[in-house]
Amino acid sequence: SAVISQKPSRDICQRGTSLTIQCQVDSQVTMMFWYRQQPGQSLTLIATANQGSEATYESGFVIDKFPISRPNLTFSTLTVSNMSPEDSSIYLCSVLLGYVNTEAFFGQGTRLTVV
Amino acid sequence: AQTVTQSQPEMSVQEAETVTLSCTYDTSESDYYLFWYKQPPSRQMILVIRQEAYKQQNATENRFSVNFQKAAKSFSLKISDSQLGDAAMYFCALTLYNNNDMRFGAGTRLTVKP
Repeated sequence: SAVISQKPSRDICQRGTSLTIQCQVDSQVTMMFWYRQQPGQSLTLIATANQGSEATYESGFVIDKFPISRPNLTFSTLTVSNMSPEDSSIYLCSVLLGYVNTEAFFGQGTRLTVV
Repeated sequence: AQTVTQSQPEMSVQEAETVTLSCTYDTSESDYYLFWYKQPPSRQMILVIRQEAYKQQNATENRFSVNFQKAAKSFSLKISDSQLGDAAMYFCALTLYNNNDMRFGAGTRLTVKP
């Protein structure tokens, strides 16, 4: 299993500013995933963060808006840049472990409100 | 690309009764995993049950069981003897063996009435 610590748990930010969300895993993992969950909605994959290479972004998400760092196998950050009220969401990091009993583990999420 | 569809935005069940949540999916791959995750108001995603596509036997975990119909690409979750603590959002999800990201359905909000 994996324990994921995600910080901050919530924040209220002014539009036009940036927020960096941190995700720390208690074991080494090759890939980490960042999801956005808009109010009352499902989880949408933003990007896959690989250690030692650039993150891979899903359609509709760009690096300038959501820069990601992955400095080692246990840590990643997601920055939400130049925020607008439309960025108000829950952001979750996740890892997928196991080949036989595959399971995804999630951080507790960051609730972001942009005012 | 993989897609997951949950057609029931909301479901309600009486305590101690049984409820079934529906999920269909689409993929051209033959090797994949299917999951049901629960998200209570705390936001923490909790694995409810997992099914490997190569297994014909339906997975069960205590009061939770699935009806996996591979040909129909259907993966429903049955909750027996529903408890108040089962109230949450339930997400159906799929991941491929050779691709590590997970795709989620829109979710079903389950209410349990005392």
